[in-house]
Amino acid sequence: AQKITQTQPGMFVQEKEAVTLDCTYDTSDPSYGLFWYKQPSSGEMIFLIYQGSYDQQNATEGRYSLNFQKARKSANLVISASQLGDSAMYFCAMREGDSSYKLIFGSGTRLLVRP
Amino acid sequence: NAGVMQNPRHLVRRRGQEARLRCSPMKGHSHVYWYRQLPEEGLKFMVYLQKENIIDESGMPKERFSAEFPKEGPSILRIQQVVRGDSAAYFCASTQWDSTTNYGYTFGSGTRLTVV
Repeated sequence: AQKITQTQPGMFVQEKEAVTLDCTYDTSDPSYGLFWYKQPSSGEMIFLIYQGSYDQQNATEGRYSLNFQKARKSANLVISASQLGDSAMYFCAMREGDSSYKLIFGSGTRLLVRP
Repeated sequence: NAGVMQNPRHLVRRRGQEARLRCSPMKGHSHVYWYRQLPEEGLKFMVYLQKENIIDESGMPKERFSAEFPKEGPSILRIQQVVRGDSAAYFCASTQWDSTTNYGYTFGSGTRLTVV
């Protein structure tokens, strides 16, 4: 079974609008962490936001927020006020356990922001 | 404080040649991780090394691939007798401790290997 599932291969959004990128995960470990990374066309991996399994509140970092629904095992990324520079691949990833060194990545969603 | 440095940024090899990818971790970091990204896929864990030790190589193909992190110098990912299926982006990351932080890893910019 896939540990991290991103069901949207590609998404379009109009500049200045909000967009939600879906991520569902599968783990039996009660302690885990969820990450979102951005990969622009230049190829580097840029950390965006983190959510711990015991965090009570949804994580936010500037225009990025994480809609964490633990019972549904979903960790959707919300980007508000989209900008042209947000066009990129976005990857959801999970760390199982408090002290694991491995990240498990989803297959990614390609976001294109239209002017 | 320089980040994780990978070189070369792009590498082209003919089938059957060897590819050597280098990774210098962030200053003060002694734990190095290699990930591979095949075209149109997410990153997949390959190997975790500390200085002079391979801790976990569960994601490494059993043949042709090897990794080292010597006492001095960068970590090296070596692919012998490359085949077209080895074409991918190879990312290195480093941490100070033996786990990710709440910021995940700091990744290098990656090496894009193309096998022709």
